[in-house]
Amino acid sequence: KAGVTQTPRYLIKTRGQQVTLSCSPISGHRSVSWYQQTPGQGLQFLFEYFSETQRNKGNFPGRFSGRQFSNSRSEMNVSTLELGDSALYLCASSLGLAGGNAQFFGPGTRLTVL
Amino acid sequence: QQPVQSPQAVILREGEDAVINCSSSKALYSVHWYRQKHGEAPVFLMILLKGGEQKGHEKISASFNEKKQQSSLYLTASQLSYSGTYFCGTETGDSSYKLIFGSGTRLLVRP
Repeated sequence: KAGVTQTPRYLIKTRGQQVTLSCSPISGHRSVSWYQQTPGQGLQFLFEYFSETQRNKGNFPGRFSGRQFSNSRSEMNVSTLELGDSALYLCASSLGLAGGNAQFFGPGTRLTVL
Repeated sequence: QQPVQSPQAVILREGEDAVINCSSSKALYSVHWYRQKHGEAPVFLMILLKGGEQKGHEKISASFNEKKQQSSLYLTASQLSYSGTYFCGTETGDSSYKLIFGSGTRLLVRP
């Protein structure tokens, strides 16, 4: 089975711009979770989607949003980028809800905001 | 509410054992363990569920104390490949199945 894929792998944006990241889960997985990883903050939960519905949301501002499509692929959008948004964004897929199932992570998208 | 991991970092000689702890201030439904090597994505190691069920790699050993709201990961006869950062993730009773990760424990195994 192919693993979780994320595109693009690297992005450079300037403050004020917006960005869309994409995640394709493992075939058959219905849950996709998004995390922000920075050296000082570890893995911070952004949100989880299951069957096209947002099931959970972390403590991030409304500039961070996402959606999931009928084929379980997910996108994450960040509007009005700030310098502090520079991070590695990881998505993870699981068969069911993340809490009770193993999560499989993609390689991440490295976002740099200048 | 982020779980607390200890120690923050540990250095071992190949063949030595280590224990990494994860504790929560809230009742736990499940505890996850992942390992991340530098420049790579986190890799699933194990899930421990309330009630005693465990899912994970055969060579990985962990415990889940529901009463103490703690979990421990046991790394025995460590190998160089065990080096990396270990994260525990917890699902608490009030988190609506949200999985929150600790800040990680950095493990270095030296020859």
